[in-house]
Amino acid sequence: QVQLQESGPGLVKPSETLSLTCSVSGGSINNYYWKWIRQPPGKGLEWIGYIYYSGSTNYNPSLESRVSISLDTSKSQFSLNLSSVTAADTAVYYCARGGTRYSSSSWGQGTLVTVSS
Amino acid sequence: QSVLTQPPSVSAAPGQKVTISCSGSSSNIGNNYVSWYQQLPGTAPKLLIYDNNKRPSGIPDRFSGSKSDTSATLGITGLQTGDEADYYCETWDTSLSAGVFGGGTKLTVL
Repeated sequence: QVQLQESGPGLVKPSETLSLTCSVSGGSINNYYWKWIRQPPGKGLEWIGYIYYSGSTNYNPSLESRVSISLDTSKSQFSLNLSSVTAADTAVYYCARGGTRYSSSSWGQGTLVTVSS
Repeated sequence: QSVLTQPPSVSAAPGQKVTISCSGSSSNIGNNYVSWYQQLPGTAPKLLIYDNNKRPSGIPDRFSGSKSDTSATLGITGLQTGDEADYYCETWDTSLSAGVFGGGTKLTVL
């Protein structure tokens, strides 16, 4: 049973870069899409982007200029960087695994990131 | 404002059936598969339905999915109080070249 666990700072200052890592255990990196999804407090889910095991990426157009997702297969980890953050980026950030671009069968528990000075 | 439109809330009595709709367009639902998730309070979303109507292992057959043209529907029969949650649809949007979620529907079991 694959498990995913997000880690990173819970507080980020405005204009700085939000960096999170998702550690994967109990499953292979190969043949899956590795995704980031976020949920502002009290609001719905927002798709951030994915990195395929081959290294190809795809991002939400509304975030594309600020976001990057990378994969470290040797560590079974993938990471999210979101630059120039504002209070609007405050959210619970989830990492997830999917067999396709449009579904995610395994999720991390989520981590709350607050953007505040 | 979500690309996919869901009703903000639905409600029904225990034991009854409820349906949740997800409306999109030809660039998303009309030409791509739909997934559905259940999010219980304070927890991560859980995949209920993928590829429009398939259930992952362990998901009871009380949950069903269907798709017609540019809309999808999640059905839940034999409602239980434990089904009270937020439900989200997801699909791929070919024009955006990105995944998209519906705004979510809060299910209340009266």
